[in-house]
Order: sequence, then structure tokens, then C-alpha cells
Amino acid sequence: NAGVTQTPKFQVLKTGQSMTLQCAQDMNHEYMSWYRQDPGMGLRLIHYSVGAGITDQGEVPNGYNVSRSTTEDFPLRLLSAAPSQTSVYFCASSFTATSNTEAFFGQGTRLTVV
Amino acid sequence: KNQVEQSPQSLIILEGKNCTLQCNYTVSPFSNLRWYKQDTGRGPVSLTIMTFSENTKSNGRYTATLDADTKQSSLHITASQLSDSASYICVVSARAMGYGGSQGNLIFGKGTKLSVKP
Repeated sequence: NAGVTQTPKFQVLKTGQSMTLQCAQDMNHEYMSWYRQDPGMGLRLIHYSVGAGITDQGEVPNGYNVSRSTTEDFPLRLLSAAPSQTSVYFCASSFTATSNTEAFFGQGTRLTVV
Repeated sequence: KNQVEQSPQSLIILEGKNCTLQCNYTVSPFSNLRWYKQDTGRGPVSLTIMTFSENTKSNGRYTATLDADTKQSSLHITASQLSDSASYICVVSARAMGYGGSQGNLIFGKGTKLSVKP
């Protein structure tokens, strides 16, 4: 019962560095997404994917790239880290994009950019 | 603008007591409303999902209500336990065309931080 697995749990980056946050799900869900959670704000959608090979931008996509080569994996790439990207990042998956079913979240990656 | 407002921001109650958390929304067109529990340092976990036609849904000691006419929802916790200490997030899904669908149109509230004291 792994569900949604995110790695790493914690990361410190220097400004300008790049990195990839990993996300994998083992529930054969079509829909996957990335959110960021900042103090005093609700979760905000960064990018999402409705299936392998299909991705699209969410509310706050700037500075991030995604790809979906398999149903299971949905990595999030930070191209050139900035202090404004300090946040907690959550990956989520659900059965389909249009289903009224719950979204399953990973445990989060706490990223600090210095 | 689609918004979800939760109240109170934080709440402290004694173990064994009941409490009710509120959620007001201005999301249209409405698809469903969800309540999530988020423990400190963890991801949100779903408690309930309600569609337009449902006005009450229970999950153990958690009972959610939905009034689609007034666009209000509440989450009632009965006989609170120390493990109920968490943030509770109200999420409203907007029905949408296109790739994102309803899952790509989740509007999150800021959450209510509940502390249950012994």
C-alpha cells in the first residue's frame, strides 16, 4: 500500500541550482498533479497531467517543468531555484481528471532555497 | 473569483468535546466539496467528498454537511481525541471542461488548525 511516494522529504538548494522532485504512484491513476503549500495560503496547483504524455500548466507554473513518460511517475523539475520557490511541495494523484473521487497526496517535500 | 473561506483559523478544545468547523465558498460551477485532514509534516488525507445532491456524509466521528443553496459546509467532530489535532482543509472542485476536469480545478481553503488538549 505505497500510494503516492515523494522523494526527497527535505532539500536545501542554493539560488540558481536545479533539481528534480520525484513522485511515483502505484494505484494506476491517470491524473497526477503538483501543488505548493505556503504559510497562510491554500495549496496552489503548479502542473498537472491527465495521462502519460500529456501535461499542462496550473495556477503557478513559472520556474517549473514536468514530464509524464509513464503512468506511475511525474517528476517536477526546478530549472534555476529562487528563494521564492521555498515551499512545501505535494504530489497528488486521482483516478481520472473528471472523477468525483478523492485525491491521494504524498507526504511532501520541504524545499528551502538559500 | 472562485474562493473558499474557512473559519475559525484556529481552535483549541479539550479532549472529548465536540467541535464544528465552517467553510463558505463562491465556486461556480460546483462539482464537489471535500474535507481533508492534514497532520503536521504530512500530506492531506481525504475525509469526505460530497456532490451537489448530498447534504450529509459521515466518516467515523467526522460528519460533513453541505448546503448548496447557501454555499456553506461544516465539518463536525464528535468526542474529539488527541489524534484529531491537525489542520482541516475544505476544498471545492469546480466543474470544468478541458483536460483538467474537476480534479484540475480544486480550490483550497487555508485550513482550520485544531488543537485538542488533554
